[in-house]
Amino acid sequence: DAGVIQSPRHEVTEMGQEVTLRCKPISGHDYLFWYRQTMMRGLELLIYFNNNVPIDDSGMPEDRFSAKMPNASFSTLKIQPSEPRDSAVYFCASTGQPGYGYTFGSGTRLTVV
Amino acid sequence: DQQVKQNSPSLSVQEGRISILNCDYTNSMFDYFLWYKKYPAEGPTFLISISSIKDKNEDGRFTVFLNKSAKHLSLHIVPSQPGDSAVYFCAASPYAGGTSYGKLTFGQGTILTVHP
Repeated sequence: DAGVIQSPRHEVTEMGQEVTLRCKPISGHDYLFWYRQTMMRGLELLIYFNNNVPIDDSGMPEDRFSAKMPNASFSTLKIQPSEPRDSAVYFCASTGQPGYGYTFGSGTRLTVV
Repeated sequence: DQQVKQNSPSLSVQEGRISILNCDYTNSMFDYFLWYKKYPAEGPTFLISISSIKDKNEDGRFTVFLNKSAKHLSLHIVPSQPGDSAVYFCAASPYAGGTSYGKLTFGQGTILTVHP
């Protein structure tokens, strides 16, 4: 079991550019979560999916953010256009037993300059 | 509206002594509580959890205590080891069948440093 796989590990982009973060959940896990970690706000949930369907996107900060899960083994988080305040570490997590703990990926550190 | 709060940003402890990390919550719909540990450049990893029907859960050197009336939980690490130095997050989940089931709400984290 390779765990939750995120790519890229690091992303540096210029303000205004489109950024796409990728996640491969653990096989068999039917819940997938996107979190963002910042010094100011800690770990905040952006959106989560169940069986590839978005369940709660109330944490998505603005229309510039969008997330998709086209199949059970892949999800993307897109920011367009990116802004410096989007700089953070973005984590993907998955679980087969909601509420009983997730498995997190190693995160993508995004820097928007 | 921060529903899960860790009021101590950092904690420093001597090796071999007890580490006590605290967490408070405000949402009475929370039914299950978890602690995660996070090392730099890694994702958080699950440490220990407790259901609201219990007041204590123990796993080796780690014990979590839950006081529902006070809406307070704590993580005790005894004895503390230098390898325990990390950021510790508490998290809470609503009860099964409720709205937002599956959604973990995290605290801000506490940086634990264990000195040799």
